[in-house]
Amino acid sequence: GENVEQHPSTLSVQEGDSAVIKCTYSDSASNYFPWYKQELGKRPQLIIDIRSNVGEKKDQRIAVTLNKTAKHFSLHITETQPEDSAVYFCAAASMDTGRRALTFGSGTRLQVQP
Amino acid sequence: EPEVTQTPSHQVTQMGQEVILRCVPISNHLYFYWYRQILGQKVEFLVSFYNNEISEKSEIFDDQFSVERPDGSNFTLKIRSTKLEDSAMYFCASLRSWFDRGSEQYFGPGTRLTVT
Repeated sequence: GENVEQHPSTLSVQEGDSAVIKCTYSDSASNYFPWYKQELGKRPQLIIDIRSNVGEKKDQRIAVTLNKTAKHFSLHITETQPEDSAVYFCAAASMDTGRRALTFGSGTRLQVQP
Repeated sequence: EPEVTQTPSHQVTQMGQEVILRCVPISNHLYFYWYRQILGQKVEFLVSFYNNEISEKSEIFDDQFSVERPDGSNFTLKIRSTKLEDSAMYFCASLRSWFDRGSEQYFGPGTRLTVT
């Protein structure tokens, strides 16, 4: 089955700096890669997703890049703000056949220092 | 904006007891999921449900677990004989369609299950 590795497990940045979180996946059938933000005690909320037919997607301060050959995708947050502090999870799934459920990475705790 | 709802928000039960966790997915969604998250750990897939039957399940989803969609709105997860290690946050999620380019899995607020 799919295995998703996520690094780093914790990340501390100064307000205004950029943050990068990286994930790798194992199943070449995976073609949908969402990123979720989870605040303490809350539900995971989708912040951005990418499908395998594109290499990059951007939404304001957030961008995701995908390298299908290397089975690697990354989340980039620019101009970080204290409200970006949360746990971020990457995930992978196949939209076509096989596993359509999300396989999550282990999470990155991002702390933005004011 | 429509939301997935779950009840109860917190359930405390004794080991060996049966629990039923309830979810109301978004009304026009077709795919339903249960995930769990042990405190401080990642979210893990349990089971998915489509067209009134289980479409996928993980190795966690053993004979102690069952799911049901008893009517047009509710989606339930039953744990027949709870164990201490079943203590976790259980999230329900729903998805309209994998073939809709704007679709995403929407998560409910979770039910925190504590087994004593």
